[in-house]
Amino acid sequence: DTGVSQDPRHKITKRGQNVTFRCDPISEHNRLYWYRQTLGQGPEFLTYFQNEAQLEKSRLLSDRFSAERPKGSFSTLEIQRTEQGDSAMYLCASSLGLDTQYFGPGTRLTVL
Amino acid sequence: DAKTTQPPSMDCAEGRAANLPCNHSTISGNEYVYWYRQIHSQGPQYIIHGLKNNETNEMASLIITEDRKSSTLILPHATLRDTAVYYCIVRGHSSGSRLTFGEGTQLTVNP
Repeated sequence: DTGVSQDPRHKITKRGQNVTFRCDPISEHNRLYWYRQTLGQGPEFLTYFQNEAQLEKSRLLSDRFSAERPKGSFSTLEIQRTEQGDSAMYLCASSLGLDTQYFGPGTRLTVL
Repeated sequence: DAKTTQPPSMDCAEGRAANLPCNHSTISGNEYVYWYRQIHSQGPQYIIHGLKNNETNEMASLIITEDRKSSTLILPHATLRDTAVYYCIVRGHSSGSRLTFGEGTQLTVNP
């Protein structure tokens, strides 16, 4: 499968714990995007990378959130000191430049 | 990016064409119309996009009006597996080009 992959697919954690998600984009894609989706809503943009550079961050991305793409390939999204309001589906997408964004299956986070 | 308006829900009979409308009256000349769909608990799936001309691929057809203020996504022979939320998104190809999702249309294909 050469699509976008995300790991884990599901994560259950207790409030206050840190969690990290991984996204592997389509291999030749230089742009990688993170979105968050809460129940009943459409996905909302969080941040994006072009190669290893993080070029834009949404105001939704609080100080507890950090994203990296160290070698311009896979990316990680870490949430520190999770809160119940962080429960959501975290989606990753990739594209070649400004071309179509293709999404992964998402990581569903549940904070107890 | 321009705002889009879609009906919250639609029904379609299996085997019939599903026509999903989208209004984007504030679209500007360099903005594309994209359609994605999302089946329950999965990531959004790209369907089709266009700028001015009508487009067709193996999944669907996209009809854009001449003034570009509205468009229609056509699934020619809907199946039960086409039941999903369909998102119409207007996207400019500026340096960032995030996708701004609305609430979409819940399409239910009935047997």
